[in-house]
Amino acid sequence: DAKTTQPTSMDCAEGRAANLPCNHSTISGNEYVYWYRQIHSQGPQYIIHGLKNNETNEMASLIITEDRKSSTLILPHATLRDTAVYYCIVRVARGGNTGNQFYFGTGTSLTVIP
Amino acid sequence: GAGVSQSPRYKVTKRGQDVTLRCDPISSHATLYWYQQALGQGPEFLTYFNYEAQPDKSGLPSDRFSAERPEGSISTLTIQRTEQRDSAMYRCASSTRDGIGELFFGEGSRLTVL
Repeated sequence: DAKTTQPTSMDCAEGRAANLPCNHSTISGNEYVYWYRQIHSQGPQYIIHGLKNNETNEMASLIITEDRKSSTLILPHATLRDTAVYYCIVRVARGGNTGNQFYFGTGTSLTVIP
Repeated sequence: GAGVSQSPRYKVTKRGQDVTLRCDPISSHATLYWYQQALGQGPEFLTYFNYEAQPDKSGLPSDRFSAERPEGSISTLTIQRTEQRDSAMYRCASSTRDGIGELFFGEGSRLTVL
């Protein structure tokens, strides 16, 4: 599975949009982009995923560039509770008994500032 | 069950002892993952199961680590002859088998080796 590159840390003012970038220049055509976050010592929490189209749900939006080499997770109105480590993961989504590994990197530590 | 359940939540052991950690996944989920997370680091993939099959053990750090899921439901992770460097949070996650669905994480088992 392709590797990802994320900034180590970012700050965002409360109420503003948080834009978290991720580079995945070696992504292949059948790899999805996933975002998870981990708040303090809790288990990672799923946020959103996409293949090539932009996606939006109640938590966030995912913008994937046309060449799919990078993506941005957008938290539209960041709150203090969004302070967490955010992980960008690319992964082949296939059934059967192969290829279901799911690798986390080091992520981006987002701090939302009051 | 309603969520992924792990036990024990905390385990303190002496170096050289064997430890077994347990994971009870969401009952409808075919795929189960084990991760090791050191303090301040992202989760490191250890192994995963599709039902009782274990297609990938590549993340297990040494032959002291083993995992089982004999009936395709509950899984155990066993660490033999524990060492201080094994101290970490061990996280279990489960997902549906379609290879796309999100991972649901348990609360983790924190292992401390003295």
